[in-house]
Amino acid sequence: RKEVEQDPGPFNVPEGATVAFNCTYSNSASQSFFWYRQDCRKEPKLLMSVYSSGNEDGRFTAQLNRASQYISLLIRDSKLSDSATYLCVVNRRGSQGNLIFGKGTKLSVKP
Amino acid sequence: EAQVTQNPRYLITVTGKKLTVTCSQNMNHEYMSWYRQDPGLGLRQIYYSMNVEVTDKGDVPEGYKVSRKEKRNFPLILESPSPNQTSLYFCASSLAGVNIQYFGAGTRLSVL
Repeated sequence: RKEVEQDPGPFNVPEGATVAFNCTYSNSASQSFFWYRQDCRKEPKLLMSVYSSGNEDGRFTAQLNRASQYISLLIRDSKLSDSATYLCVVNRRGSQGNLIFGKGTKLSVKP
Repeated sequence: EAQVTQNPRYLITVTGKKLTVTCSQNMNHEYMSWYRQDPGLGLRQIYYSMNVEVTDKGDVPEGYKVSRKEKRNFPLILESPSPNQTSLYFCASSLAGVNIQYFGAGTRLSVL
């Protein structure tokens, strides 16, 4: 099993749609989870951290399922500006120095 | 403004000509890291540093060197670049390795 696995997409959705991405991770001892957003040829930027109880930031909701070892990102009321690649990020077990980045899921929001 | 600064942003060079990509952060972060990003392969860690004079290999360290003589700087050195090192490179920093990482704008390197 890959350390962090995401569906590459692309997810093509109309404006206003709700879209969900999942990400699975292999290390059951991972403690830190994030979603990053990356626009084409730009640097990744933090979208949100993912907490055990789940958390919401405006139209974005992140969930963590430790038993099944996956995290999810839900985007409600999609905007054109949400078009980007979304990276799932998890820390490596026993390592203070390493976050592992998934390869990303590409989202394209159409008018 | 808190930021991670990489230079140069774009670089075209030839095989075997030594080059250095600089990275500097002004957030007093202890942890710094270098990644390369290639189509279909995602972000892969090259080297990281947990503090001054402390560096360690990431997933793809071959052909690269780093140093951390000062907290704010973490240069990436390619002693003898080869075409397979053509890539988009990102430097990142954070308070600690498992914390939120802040990225530089990237360096697009082409080795001919």
